[in-house]
Amino acid sequence: GAGVSQSPRYKVAKRGQDVALRCDPISGHVSLFWYQQALGQGPEFLTYFQNEAQLDKSGLPSDRFFAERPEGSVSTLKIQRTQQEDSAVYLCASSPDTTGTLTYEQYFGPGTRLTVT
Amino acid sequence: AQKITQTQPGMFVQEKEAVTLDCTYDTSDQSYGLFWYKQPSSGEMIFLIYQGSYDEQNATEGRYSLNFQKARKSANLVISASQLGDSAMYFCAMREVMNRDDKIIFGKGTRLHILP
Repeated sequence: GAGVSQSPRYKVAKRGQDVALRCDPISGHVSLFWYQQALGQGPEFLTYFQNEAQLDKSGLPSDRFFAERPEGSVSTLKIQRTQQEDSAVYLCASSPDTTGTLTYEQYFGPGTRLTVT
Repeated sequence: AQKITQTQPGMFVQEKEAVTLDCTYDTSDQSYGLFWYKQPSSGEMIFLIYQGSYDEQNATEGRYSLNFQKARKSANLVISASQLGDSAMYFCAMREVMNRDDKIIFGKGTRLHILP
């Protein structure tokens, strides 16, 4: 079946522009996660949804970052007034209902590489 | 304090040799999961292997095995008979499920180079 898809794959934004990054999770997956991966680093957790509910947004670096998943499927990560330090790969991952379980791995999308100039 | 520590930023290994990638973790939970992911230069994250904190046997998946030492909070990845295609970044990760919170915390990674 289809995996997690993300669009666009590459985005160049001028400093101060707003951007929107899209994630299409695997069909039926309840949990959806966003990560930020700086060059040469491991992914850093940003936020987590269970269906349409955003249960954890503790990793969002500032109030310029906003994520939504209004119908419990597709999710959008929006970054307002982009700064150079926002340049990174933004990874989306999904997994089945993980309530009370530990075993499900997260299935990752290919990422969106954001470059802020 | 870091929850996942990978002390080897880079490793060079001769093809066909076995390689061990180190990972230590920090948690006060009794129930947690440990994962290893591979990230080739193309950028996708590929799941390799999983170990649950209550699993008594070390996990194995083909050429990958996880050397789980719970008392030492260690979860090293062993790749047997390494291949050129194993060259990539490798990330150790831990999942803690507390209340409704559910996240995976990643280490900083080890870049593995397999030499012909």
